[in-house]
Amino acid sequence: QVHLEQSGAEVKKPGASVRVSCKASGYTFSSYNIQWVRQAPGQGLEWMGVIDPSGGHPLYAQRFQGRFTMTTDTSTSTVYMQLSSLISDDTAVYYCIREPIALCYFDYWGQGTLVTVSS
Amino acid sequence: QSALTQPASVSGSPGQSITISCTGTSGDVGGDKYVSWYQQHPGNAPKLMINDVSIRPSGVSSRFSGSKSGNTASLTISGLQAEDEADYYCCSRTKSGTYVFGTGTKVTVL
Repeated sequence: QVHLEQSGAEVKKPGASVRVSCKASGYTFSSYNIQWVRQAPGQGLEWMGVIDPSGGHPLYAQRFQGRFTMTTDTSTSTVYMQLSSLISDDTAVYYCIREPIALCYFDYWGQGTLVTVSS
Repeated sequence: QSALTQPASVSGSPGQSITISCTGTSGDVGGDKYVSWYQQHPGNAPKLMINDVSIRPSGVSSRFSGSKSGNTASLTISGLQAEDEADYYCCSRTKSGTYVFGTGTKVTVL
């Protein structure tokens, strides 16, 4: 069965960087995009970016350009996201999600990773 | 990219029908068929309920339906049940290939 397993919760200080992993299983890794969405406490969903694990160019939301990076490791079917120059407003649950390529919907979600930014 | 506009809350009694609106622009909702809806219960990850404006994935109750007119998409829940109480989000692809979510709607079953 399809499963996206994310790495555990992180606590970071302002100005630091965080890396979250998302390991996919149960399907052909290269046949689906991986999307990243975050949700601040008590707030709505915010789209961050998408990457094609087969080597396509990543696409980032404009507000995260320059401090958000997505990479893939096809040997382990894992996607990584890194967010740098953290501020308190980056405190949120970060989700990785599978998207059937070019179908533009998010069918399987990881369990979410809480990133807390606090001094 | 501004979030799509949804009502903050919608409520209904068991058995009733409710409709949640999602208003965007010609650059997103009105631009193509790629509007989807997600249900989120507290403490859980969102779940896909509708894709491509009105397509219901396997396993989703037929009580959920979607539609679109111009720049506004809608999600209708018929025969409201207690288990439908949750937050609902719309999502649309934009003409630049990015995505934007709605502001979210809390559904309360009275």
